[in-house]
Amino acid sequence: QKEVEQDPGPLSVPEGAIVSLNCTYSNSAFQYFMWYRQYSRKGPELLMYTYSSGNKEDGRFTAQVDKSSKYISLFIRDSQPSDSATYLCAMSAPAGTALIFGKGTTLSVSS
Amino acid sequence: GAGVSQSPRYKVTKRGQDVTLRCDPISSHATLYWYQQALGQGPEFLTYFNYEAQPDKSGLPSDRFSAERPEGSISTLTIQRTEQRDSAMYRCASSLCLGTDTQYFGPGTRLTVL
Repeated sequence: QKEVEQDPGPLSVPEGAIVSLNCTYSNSAFQYFMWYRQYSRKGPELLMYTYSSGNKEDGRFTAQVDKSSKYISLFIRDSQPSDSATYLCAMSAPAGTALIFGKGTTLSVSS
Repeated sequence: GAGVSQSPRYKVTKRGQDVTLRCDPISSHATLYWYQQALGQGPEFLTYFNYEAQPDKSGLPSDRFSAERPEGSISTLTIQRTEQRDSAMYRCASSLCLGTDTQYFGPGTRLTVL
């Protein structure tokens, strides 16, 4: 079993839909949780960052971490075609060390 | 520089040849990471540097892989005696210093071993 599990999709939704992306993990030492967005032929770019458990909101994006269940989520409200990309969850134990990534979920938002 | 740059962007080589990939991090970033990303997968950690020190090489898949950062800025990743299974995207990332949260990724080098 990999340390971080993420359903690769693909996930197709109509414009305006609410999207829910999820990852589970097995290493209880993980404290830092991130979501990266990767457009085709580009490098990953940081979208959201959360330390320990809780919620964080930034515009249309909300990240949730439930350490008791070892489960993290990213919600995208009012999804746009420009949100079409691969979304990668990533986590680390001490900040600034190796990130452990999920496989990525490919999202397609149609207009 | 404005962002992390990597060269070459594409490299095709024959099995058994050595290749060297280069990463130029964001200027003033102390920490530099190398990842390998196979098609349809997330990046997998290879190694990282804090300035010129290399505290963690645990992700390097074999002793054919090595990395350097002799002056604490530009880094190279060398793969000796390449094998077909080494074909992947190699990504470099940098962060301001160890302990900060944001790693900025470069565009990657696509390596194909024939």
